[in-house]
Amino acid sequence: QPVLTQSSSASASPGSSVKLTCTLSNTHSNYIVAWHQQQPGKAPRYLMKLEGGGSYNKGSGIPDRFSGSSSGADRYLTISNLQSEDEADYYCETWDSNIRLFGGGTKLTVL
Amino acid sequence: EVQLVESGGGLVQPGGSLTLSCAASGFTFSSSAMTWVRQAPGKGLEWVSSITGSDGHTYYTDSVKGRFTISRDNPKKTLFLQMNSLRAEDTAVYYCTKLLAGTGSDNWGQGTLVAVSS
Repeated sequence: QPVLTQSSSASASPGSSVKLTCTLSNTHSNYIVAWHQQQPGKAPRYLMKLEGGGSYNKGSGIPDRFSGSSSGADRYLTISNLQSEDEADYYCETWDSNIRLFGGGTKLTVL
Repeated sequence: EVQLVESGGGLVQPGGSLTLSCAASGFTFSSSAMTWVRQAPGKGLEWVSSITGSDGHTYYTDSVKGRFTISRDNPKKTLFLQMNSLRAEDTAVYYCTKLLAGTGSDNWGQGTLVAVSS
């Protein structure tokens, strides 16, 4: 089954951009992932679906500041014009034969 | 608007049982696959179980197989998770999610806390 690897933390300044990475295991490099945001004390929220070719579909109400891209086994979530409310944990999710898996999550700090 | 509202969490002793419910609205529940995802205190997200739409096929993570049972009542638009032989490591917030085919968990409930302790 696939393995998803995420950096444990990232930081960036308000108004800047940040690119978070979710890396699939080599034999699963073409898999689709979903990105989720979890603000402190809240339930996760679906952000987007991201395919291996880089096309993505965002959930309802997700700001234009959020975008996705891919390169090989890497799936990226880019947040532009960072706001304080973007400070959150970000998780990627994938699935295989009805088994679902999450990455360990990246804690984003907006300094 | 999609709404998922979990209930049934609480404090239970090791070895005890608990049933979680998730009331769904705002979408065609009977044709939607659903999942339970949990989050232990201070930890990341962990998939627990899934159930398909109308045919009700079920799937579980290894650590809960034989102890947890996922089910659904389509006319009542409700998802369930029956949890038996609970262990301290089952302590977590349990989230109900709606699955969109080929997309992942596209809607989440607010979660319900299960605490297993003597």
